[in-house]
Amino acid sequence: DAGITQSPRHKVTETGTPVTLRCHQTENHRYMYWYRQDPGHGLRLIHYSYGVKDTDKGEVSDGYSVSRSKTEDFLLTLESATSSQTSVYFCAISEMASGGLTQYFGPGTRLTVL
Amino acid sequence: TQLLEQSPQFLSIQEGENLTVYCNSSSVFSSLQWYRQEPGEGPVLLVTVVTGGEVKKLKRLTFQFGDARKDSSLHITAAQPGDTGLYLCAGPTGNQFYFGTGTSLTVIP
Repeated sequence: DAGITQSPRHKVTETGTPVTLRCHQTENHRYMYWYRQDPGHGLRLIHYSYGVKDTDKGEVSDGYSVSRSKTEDFLLTLESATSSQTSVYFCAISEMASGGLTQYFGPGTRLTVL
Repeated sequence: TQLLEQSPQFLSIQEGENLTVYCNSSSVFSSLQWYRQEPGEGPVLLVTVVTGGEVKKLKRLTFQFGDARKDSSLHITAAQPGDTGLYLCAGPTGNQFYFGTGTSLTVIP
C-alpha cells in the first residue's frame, strides 16, 4: 500500500460538463501518473508529473489537463467531458526499489459520461 | 502503438491445470513488471524482473525475463480459483511505463 487515494470513486456526468478527479498520496513520492483503462487497450498514460508544477503529456493526453500545486495532490481535469472519456481512471506513483523502477496504483475512479 | 503485446488475451482453465502467459516486445526494457488486477481494484505488483534470463518464483507463479530483455513469461502451476484476475505486464521507458493489453484468466473450480 503506497498510501494512494482517489476521489471520487464513481462519477456520472453529462457531455460538455467539466470534471476534476483527484489523486492524493501520503508518502512524498515525486512521480505521479494518470492512466485510463479501457477494454482491449489495457492501461494508457494520460499525463504524468515529476514534481510540483512539472507535468508532461502521455500517450492519450488530448482532452485532458493536469495540475500539481502540492507534492501530495495530482488533479486530472476533463474541461468538457465527452462520451469517449467514459473509462476507469487510475492514479499511480513510482519509486525506485531494489527490483527497479516500480509503480503502485490507487483504487481507481469509474467515470461515466452520458 | 502497443509496445508490449500479451497473449493470450483470454484464458479459461480448470482448477489444477498449468498455464503460461506471454509478454513480448520489439523493444529492450531495463526491467519488466507483472501485475494482477481484480475487478473494481487497481493493479497490484506481483514481481519485477531486471536481469536478462532471470527467473523469479512466487509460490506457484514463475516469472522469467528473456535473455535479450524484450520478453517475459508468467507460468502458473496448479491454478486455483483465487488466481482468477487480469494479469498485466509493464515496462519503463524513461519516466513512463507502457502496459500490455492484459490477459484475463478465469480458473473454474
